[in-house]
Amino acid sequence: AQSVSQHNHHVILSEAASLELGCNYSYGGTVNLFWYVQYPGQHLQLLLKYFSGDPLVKGIKGFEAEFIKSKFSFNLRKPSVQWSDTAEYFCAVTPRGSTLGRLYFGRGTQLTVWP
Amino acid sequence: EAQVTQNPRYLITVTGKKLTVTCSQNMNHEYMSWYRQDPGLGLRQIYYSMNVEVTDKGDVPEGYKVSRKEKRNFPLILESPSPNQTSLYFCASSLSPGQGVTGELFFGEGSRLTVL
Repeated sequence: AQSVSQHNHHVILSEAASLELGCNYSYGGTVNLFWYVQYPGQHLQLLLKYFSGDPLVKGIKGFEAEFIKSKFSFNLRKPSVQWSDTAEYFCAVTPRGSTLGRLYFGRGTQLTVWP
Repeated sequence: EAQVTQNPRYLITVTGKKLTVTCSQNMNHEYMSWYRQDPGLGLRQIYYSMNVEVTDKGDVPEGYKVSRKEKRNFPLILESPSPNQTSLYFCASSLSPGQGVTGELFFGEGSRLTVL
C-alpha cells in the first residue's frame, strides 16, 4: 500500500527561525506531490504542488519545497517563519499516468510559531 | 465565487439513524472525493469519483456510501452511523483530465459529525 510519512508531528519555532518539514512517500512510480496547509478552524488550502520540471517549487507565502526523486522526498521549507504560519501542514501524493483517483495524505505536522 | 459547499456543518446524531452529508461544487470539476480527518491520523480517503456515475473506494469506505448522479453533487451517506464514525469530514473537488489527480484540490469547510 502506498504511504506518506511526515516525520515531525509537532514543530515549535520562534518567529524568524527557518523551517523544514520532512515528507517521504513509498510509491515507486511517477507521482504528483502537494503540500496543503490547514489554519486553525479552517479547511485545507494548497501551498504548492509539483508535477514535473524544476524539482524546486515555490508556493504561496514564501514556502518552497524540493523534490528529491532518489530519496522519495518532498520537504517543505521556509527561510523565516511568522506567527501567522501557525497551522497544520499536510503532504499529499497521487500516482500519475493513470485514471486512479487515489490521493494519499500524511498524518500532518502541527507548526506552532511563537512571536 | 468558486466553492465547495457541505451541509450540515455540524451534526449530532445517535447510533443507527441514517444521515446524509451533502456536497456540491460549482467549478464543473470531474473529480470529487470525501475524506475524514481524525487527530493523529491526518486525512483518510473514504470514497472518490472520477466523473458522473463513476465512484470507487478509498482507504476507509466501510460504513459509508456515495453516489454521483450529477457532476456537481457528491453526497456521503451513513446508513447506520456508529460512534467510530465521529469525525470531521471534508469534501473536495478537482479537475481530473485522465492523469490522476493533477489539479489542486478545493476543499469544503468541513462537517463535524458526532455519533452518540
